[in-house]
Amino acid sequence: QVQLVESGGGLVKPGGSLRLSCAASGFTFSDYYMSWIRQAPGKGLEWVSYISSSGGTIYYAGSVKGRFTISRDNAKNSLYLQMNSLRAEDTAVYYCARGVYNSGWYPYYFDYWGQGTLVTVSS
Amino acid sequence: DIQMTQSPSSVSASVGDRVTITCRASQGISSWLAWYQQKPGKAPNLLIYGASSLQSGVPSRFSGSGSGTDFTLTISSLQPEDFATYYCQQANSFPLTFGQGTRLEIK
Repeated sequence: QVQLVESGGGLVKPGGSLRLSCAASGFTFSDYYMSWIRQAPGKGLEWVSYISSSGGTIYYAGSVKGRFTISRDNAKNSLYLQMNSLRAEDTAVYYCARGVYNSGWYPYYFDYWGQGTLVTVSS
Repeated sequence: DIQMTQSPSSVSASVGDRVTITCRASQGISSWLAWYQQKPGKAPNLLIYGASSLQSGVPSRFSGSGSGTDFTLTISSLQPEDFATYYCQQANSFPLTFGQGTRLEIK
């Protein structure tokens, strides 16, 4: 069965860095488009970043552009989010999510999500 | 950026009721819209994509409609497990954006 398992969250001081990982299993990871989506405590969902199946196309939300870097290692079935210059407003649960394939590609909808990893930015 | 506005922000209803949630985009997005359900402490679950296509495994009491700027999610007969928060999301252009959520509570 499809599984996405995030790791790497934790408590970090403002200005610090973290690298999140998402381990994928149960599907051919290299075929799928992936995204990171976050949710601040008690708030709604915010899309963070997208990467195509090959890694050749990447997009970021304006709030993280220049500070976060998305990447993937298809040989390791893994997705990553390098987060630098962290701010208090980056505090959130971070989810990795898979784009949809249903008789065609719908890469900007998300059918499987991980359980999330909490990032807390605080001094 | 395309702003997504849901209404109402919260709604109270009873088991068996028909409920409709609305999502409005700040500019036309054709049918590039999804609906998700989220329960406390859990990841969101995709219900509808392409504005009206039911995701595999989702009960048929859920339906979506609309195109352009105005969209609706309808639950035809509420079940106890449907009490949750619902989000719309546009997939027309980057940055992808979500509505603020609609909390569906038990009356």
